[in-house]
Amino acid sequence: EPEVTQTPSHQVTQMGQEVILRCVPISNHLYFYWYRQILGQKVEFLVSFYNNEISEKSEIFDDQFSVERPDGSNFTLKIRSTKLEDSAMYFCASSPAADTQYFGPGTRLTVL
Amino acid sequence: GDSVTQMEGPVTLSEEAFLTINCTYTATGYPSLFWYVQYPGEGLQLLLKATKADDKGSNKGFEATYRKETTSFHLEKGSVQVSDSAVYFCALKMKTSYDKVIFGPGTSLSVIP
Repeated sequence: EPEVTQTPSHQVTQMGQEVILRCVPISNHLYFYWYRQILGQKVEFLVSFYNNEISEKSEIFDDQFSVERPDGSNFTLKIRSTKLEDSAMYFCASSPAADTQYFGPGTRLTVL
Repeated sequence: GDSVTQMEGPVTLSEEAFLTINCTYTATGYPSLFWYVQYPGEGLQLLLKATKADDKGSNKGFEATYRKETTSFHLEKGSVQVSDSAVYFCALKMKTSYDKVIFGPGTSLSVIP
């Protein structure tokens, strides 16, 4: 069964550094998403992406964040200058249409 | 705005006990409803879903019925196993094309032998 994959599984970085989190959505899906889950808290929406542009973004998704689909398979989340409070589990999701979203295993980002 | 409320737990049950995790939602329209499960150290897996009123989603012995009149989507299982120990998230999504999933806070379940 096709799955969403994410790399790396764990990323450790210094405050102020740039990080890129990578996702490979399910191949025939058209809609892509990033969410994050700070330890012990709710899963929060960051951004949705369709037809090579951002469809919606939350207030968390400020100018430090960007997303890109650089080729036909990858979907990336970049954080330009990481802060301590960016430490969280980041989940990528994809969906074929306007319904069920399928989530990847997550990347745990630790900012020191 | 749209939101999901669920009992936060933690819930501890003995093996073969009956499980209910309550979930209620607030939404301006008629969303699709989901239960996702997160096993220790893993990501979010879709457990079941329902897209309209009175639909029943079911998977792996778990069931939930979309109750529009009470805006609820309670998760039930007749006989839990140790392997069901996980965090369970109730969630909703409006049916427009790129709408986000809105999650409840999650309910931690521990099943003891």
